Amino acid sequence: DIQMTQSPSTLSASAGDTVTITCRASQSISSWLAWYQQKPGKAPKLLISKASTLESGVPSRFSGSGSGTDFTLTISSLQPDDFATYYCQHYESSPYTFGQGTKLEMK
Amino acid sequence: EVQLVQSGAEMKKPGESLKISCKGSGYSFTNYWIAWVRQMPGKGLEWMGIIYPGDSDARYSPSFQGQVTISADKSISTAYLQWSSLKASDTAIYYCAKQYSGHDNYYDYWGQGTLVTVSS
Repeated sequence: DIQMTQSPSTLSASAGDTVTITCRASQSISSWLAWYQQKPGKAPKLLISKASTLESGVPSRFSGSGSGTDFTLTISSLQPDDFATYYCQHYESSPYTFGQGTKLEMK
Repeated sequence: EVQLVQSGAEMKKPGESLKISCKGSGYSFTNYWIAWVRQMPGKGLEWMGIIYPGDSDARYSPSFQGQVTISADKSISTAYLQWSSLKASDTAIYYCAKQYSGHDNYYDYWGQGTLVTVSS
């Protein structure tokens, strides 16, 4: 099974900052990676698929990159609404595991 | 409008059985995999398994194989997650989610979650 490891687990930042979250797969997953945002008490929301394809309606300050085993989610010019927990998920082959999450908190 | 509507919160005792549901609407329910995802209190998302309602083909994470059963009734566009004997460690929010497309098992629509509490 493919394991997904995110870093850091927690990230402190201020509005206006640019932050990067890393996701590493235990073996190559090509570009079969999605990113989700989850706010407390809410279901996850899809942000990015195929490592770098922004979903409709997602602000352009979100961007994804990477292929193979190493991926990043970058949020530019943080807005107050962006403070949440972010998860990566691979979909190369079943089981389609999630990373453990990165909590983005306000500094 | 695509919607996944899950059944309500449950409070059960250890050893009891439970079946929770996820009703899809606004799309062709039989043609997209439905996933179940666990979120234990204060923890991350765990992929449990998926089902293809068209033929009820179900696949499980090794961590959940044998612990739960995923099923679907395509006639009423509903997927299910069931336990035969609950444990306290099954306390969690359970989400269902719709696969994006035929080959891409990531999830574009999610249910609102069902809170399952198991306590004596």
